[in-house]
Amino acid sequence: DIQMTQSPSTLSASVGDRVTITCRASQSINSWLAWYQQKPGKAPKLLMSKASTLESGVPSRFSGSGSGTEFTLTISSLQPDDFATYHCQQYKSYPYTFGQGTILEIK
Amino acid sequence: QVQLQESGPGLVKPSQTLSLTCTVSGGSITSGGNYWSWIRQHPGKGLEWIGYIYYSGSTYFNPSLESRVTISRDSSKNQFSLRLSSVTAADTAVYYCARRDQKAGYFDYWGQGALVAVSS
Repeated sequence: DIQMTQSPSTLSASVGDRVTITCRASQSINSWLAWYQQKPGKAPKLLMSKASTLESGVPSRFSGSGSGTEFTLTISSLQPDDFATYHCQQYKSYPYTFGQGTILEIK
Repeated sequence: QVQLQESGPGLVKPSQTLSLTCTVSGGSITSGGNYWSWIRQHPGKGLEWIGYIYYSGSTYFNPSLESRVTISRDSSKNQFSLRLSSVTAADTAVYYCARRDQKAGYFDYWGQGALVAVSS
């Protein structure tokens, strides 16, 4: 199985900050990576696919980059609605696997 | 707009079988080339892909759960179901049904999730 490791596990930040979350794969997954946002008690919501392609309706302050084994999700200017848990997922090969999640909390 | 909704018992006894159903609206589970999946999330943990049933009816499971998992469908009701046998407390989780995009492996539509606790 391909292991996905996110860092940090928890990130404290303020409204307006620029934040970056990292996701590392245990082997190359090319650009077959998705990012999800999850709020408490809710299902994950797809933010972007193929490492950097934003889903329709996702604000442009979100961006993704990377290929191979290292990927980043950046939020350029945090808004109150962005405080949530973020998950990465590889879909290079089965079984599809997710990172352990990064909790983005208000400082 | 595709919508998914899980239903089933919220409490299962150890060694018994967990059963959940996902009702899909806004799209047929037997057309479109999509993969209808189950994913779970242990309390406070990350997500774990369980398996899928393809629009054709074929299935594929996570090898870590394969010996205990069945995914089936009822086309007439546009539903697909998960059965997980011989459950233990380690199977306590929120279970989500989700649609895997036909062209790529990400999950674009999710149900709201169903918490299933395994306890005597």
